Amino acid sequence: QSALTQPRSVAGSPGQSVTISCTGTSSDVGGYNYVSWYQQYSGKAPKLMIYDVSQRPSGVPDRFSGSKSGNTASLTISGLQADDEADYYCCSYAGSHTQVFGGGTKLTVL
Amino acid sequence: QVQLVQSGAEVKKPGSSVEVSCKASGGTFSSYVITWVRQAPGQGLEWMGGIIPIFNKPKFAQKFQGRVAITADQSTSTAYMELSSLRSEDTAVYYCARGGELSYFYGMDVWGQGTTVTVSS
Repeated sequence: QSALTQPRSVAGSPGQSVTISCTGTSSDVGGYNYVSWYQQYSGKAPKLMIYDVSQRPSGVPDRFSGSKSGNTASLTISGLQADDEADYYCCSYAGSHTQVFGGGTKLTVL
Repeated sequence: QVQLVQSGAEVKKPGSSVEVSCKASGGTFSSYVITWVRQAPGQGLEWMGGIIPIFNKPKFAQKFQGRVAITADQSTSTAYMELSSLRSEDTAVYYCARGGELSYFYGMDVWGQGTTVTVSS
């Protein structure tokens, strides 16, 4: 159960779009359509932003979208806003009733 | 609206054990996964394990097998995580979170506030 691979950091200007990748294997990301994404501000609990690869919970803006191709899932944030600056984590079902997180990506809004 | 409230911060000696509790209120407890996630200082999130209270058969990440115990008390809607043989690397914020109904597939939509566990001699 190795952690999923995410870029350590991404950056974008207000109004732009950014995409955060999350690469796993056929035993986790590639094997199931159960990838979720979390936003975390420093010192706060994570917040669910995307579940089941591309579904948004109620209250999450439609600027946030998710997708998956093969062993890589992606989170795209369009129309970047200052308060999108946070850490983002992907998480995938990994079989045998377990899940695995990615290492996290720090998003900077320039 | 479901809320998860965790027990307070702990300071423990290496080699000892710590138990963190997670009390649910405002919704269904027994049929949802309660997951435990930890975050070491400056590090990422780490999935430790979970339990569906009505089944009472906890599941664990391989890394924590044999060192973590997860239980749930349906009568008080409270889940517990006990980590034993503590070492300095276990210093972290420990979160409980609600996962899917009757399944470990789904994302975690409700989180506790986190419990800081410090392991120091």
